[in-house]
Amino acid sequence: EAQVTQNPRYLITVTGKKLTVTCSQNMNHEYMSWYRQDPGLGLRQIYYSMNVEVTDKGDVPEGYKVSRKEKRNFPLILESPSPNQTSLYFCASGRKTSGGQETQYFGPGTRLLVL
Amino acid sequence: AQKVTQAQTEISVVEKEDVTLDCVYETRDTTYYLFWYKQPPSGELVFLIRRNSFDEQNEISGRYSWNFQKSTSSFNFTITASQVVDSAVYFCALSESKDYKLSFGAGTTVTVRA
Repeated sequence: EAQVTQNPRYLITVTGKKLTVTCSQNMNHEYMSWYRQDPGLGLRQIYYSMNVEVTDKGDVPEGYKVSRKEKRNFPLILESPSPNQTSLYFCASGRKTSGGQETQYFGPGTRLLVL
Repeated sequence: AQKVTQAQTEISVVEKEDVTLDCVYETRDTTYYLFWYKQPPSGELVFLIRRNSFDEQNEISGRYSWNFQKSTSSFNFTITASQVVDSAVYFCALSESKDYKLSFGAGTTVTVRA
């Protein structure tokens, strides 16, 4: 089954304790990205990657890191989480083609609470 | 800068009524892509449809239909004969050709009452 998986789905942590949210896709997609969803602010892009070893900042990258060592994985790293990073996080992936964009598929989301 | 406006914040209907969700977008690109996603109470984002800027053909999928009009920069979504399971937040999104970033509208919460 084609899918984007995220782990963990729910996480409660404390300020300053490093954490990683994993994202994996089995569709051989080149493009992957991370979004956060907050009430009143909607969905905003954090980071994206157009291919292995190619990453770039989205609209709200502060406080986050990413890496793309393998095509299927795109982990989101919070080196020192703060309460304002409490949010619902989504990973997405899509195929990159010369004929134009194809659909982007989202993972199930990770609910993060930083105390 | 690209922008997506979903003017309706919430819509409440009784089962079997039709409901239309409005989406208006702004972009300077001639090539762009429009999407609709559904977010049910469980929280995941479910893809519904993708349209590119060169394809203005309307589409119907079961009880769902979409009306794309470049002249008014709109990409509206209609649910016919709504059901309780249609209760969700629906997002319209735009992506330009130069990057893959999705710019989302604020979403419309649809509540279908039995």
